[in-house]
Amino acid sequence: GQQVMQIPQYQHVQEGEDFTTYCNSSTTLSNIQWYKQRPGGHPVFLIQLVKSGEVKKQKRLTFQFGEAKKNSSLHITATQTTDVGTYFCAGGSQGNLIFGKGTKLSVKP
Amino acid sequence: EAQVTQNPRYLITVTGKKLTVTCSQNMNHEYMSWYRQDPGLGLRQIYYSMNVEVTDKGDVPEGYKVSRKEKRNFPLILESPSPNQTSLYFCASRVGAGNSPLHFGNGTRLTVT
Repeated sequence: GQQVMQIPQYQHVQEGEDFTTYCNSSTTLSNIQWYKQRPGGHPVFLIQLVKSGEVKKQKRLTFQFGEAKKNSSLHITATQTTDVGTYFCAGGSQGNLIFGKGTKLSVKP
Repeated sequence: EAQVTQNPRYLITVTGKKLTVTCSQNMNHEYMSWYRQDPGLGLRQIYYSMNVEVTDKGDVPEGYKVSRKEKRNFPLILESPSPNQTSLYFCASRVGAGNSPLHFGNGTRLTVT
């Protein structure tokens, strides 16, 4: 079946370092969404990318959607302790969303 | 305030005792869905509903039932819970279109002994 693979599963960084998580789909996606789940919380929608090659920024976060609409990345510049949590990508396909397994980010002050 | 409300937040039960986790949304969303979250496995979809009286199986539907008699409510029913259903459960909703973002409830942590 359709899958969205997300790597790495875990990432430990020193505060101030950059962080990137990657998602790859086995099929072409109609869109990709990114969510953040703080420890003990629920997933919260961050952003959606729809167009091939699209790049969007939210302050220190940069989101990219691949040209083939099969892969995406989230890059955080100069991480802060408030960035701690699990980041999920979710690929849109045939009216449904397929979630990656998430990348758990920890930030050491 | 627009929200998805799940109850209860925590539930401890015993094997075989039927339970229902409620989910309600006040945003008039057509689409609702249930997920379970387990360490290392991410969010796995249990069931979803595109609209009233329309439900479909997700990736892990075994052992669960749902109903969608009203637009705002989408309860998750475990007729005979087993320990392997111990998990963190999330209800979510969105406007019907497939590109709309999901709004998640706060979660229900279920323990089946």
